[in-house]
Amino acid sequence: ETGVTQTPRHLVMGMTNKKSLKCEQHLGHNAMYWYKQSAKKPLELMFVYNFKEQTENNSVPSRFSPECPNSSHLFLHLHTLQPEDSALYLCASSQDHRELFFGEGSRLTVL
Amino acid sequence: DQQVKQNSPSLSVQEGRISILNCDYTNSMFDYFLWYKKYPAEGPTFLISISSIKDKNEDGRFTVFLNKSAKHLSLHIVPSQPGDSAVYFCAASALAGTASKLTFGTGTRLQVTL
Repeated sequence: ETGVTQTPRHLVMGMTNKKSLKCEQHLGHNAMYWYKQSAKKPLELMFVYNFKEQTENNSVPSRFSPECPNSSHLFLHLHTLQPEDSALYLCASSQDHRELFFGEGSRLTVL
Repeated sequence: DQQVKQNSPSLSVQEGRISILNCDYTNSMFDYFLWYKKYPAEGPTFLISISSIKDKNEDGRFTVFLNKSAKHLSLHIVPSQPGDSAVYFCAASALAGTASKLTFGTGTRLQVTL
C-alpha cells in the first residue's frame, strides 16, 4: 500500500454538485497538505494542517472546504465549483514539515 | 509573479550522459530547496534537497548545486538512465528549512534517449 492514497483518482462534476476528495496517509506524519496543479502552472499550495489544526489557507475560495478529522485523513469538500477549478488536486504529508510525500492526485473536471 | 522559475520546459539527453536541470529564484528569503520527480499518473516524489548553508549536496547519481549570489540551483544526473525520464520540479521554502510552504517551479520534462 502506498504511503499517501487519494480517492477518487478521477472526478467529473457539474457546477451545482457537491463532492469530496479524500486523502489518507499511512506514514505516521503529523502534517498534511492540499496542492492544486493546473495545466502549465506551478503547483499551488492550498491548505496546510499540522496535528489536525489548519495552519495555512492560501487565499483559497470558500467553495473549497478542507476537513482534517485526524492526522491520517484529509478531505477537500467541493461545492459550486467553476470550470476553471478543473485541475489535478494533490494531497501530501510530511513529518515536521520536512520533505513532502505526495499522493497520486485526484483529477477533477468541472463541467 | 513567479518566484521559482524553470525556464526550460523540456530537455533531451542521451543515456549515459549528464542531465543538467536548472532553476532560478527571485526571493532572497528562500533558504531550503528541493527537487521532485514526477512520472505520468503519479504524484511527485522527493529526490534531493539542499539547505542554503551548503552549495552542494550529493546522493548517488544526483547532485544539487546552489549558487546563492546568482539565485540559481541546478540538478545534475550522472549518468542519465532511461528511467530518469520524468518531469522534474524545483521547489523552495523560506521557512527555516521546512517544507510547510513550498513554492514550486513549472517543471522540466526530461527525456533520456537510448
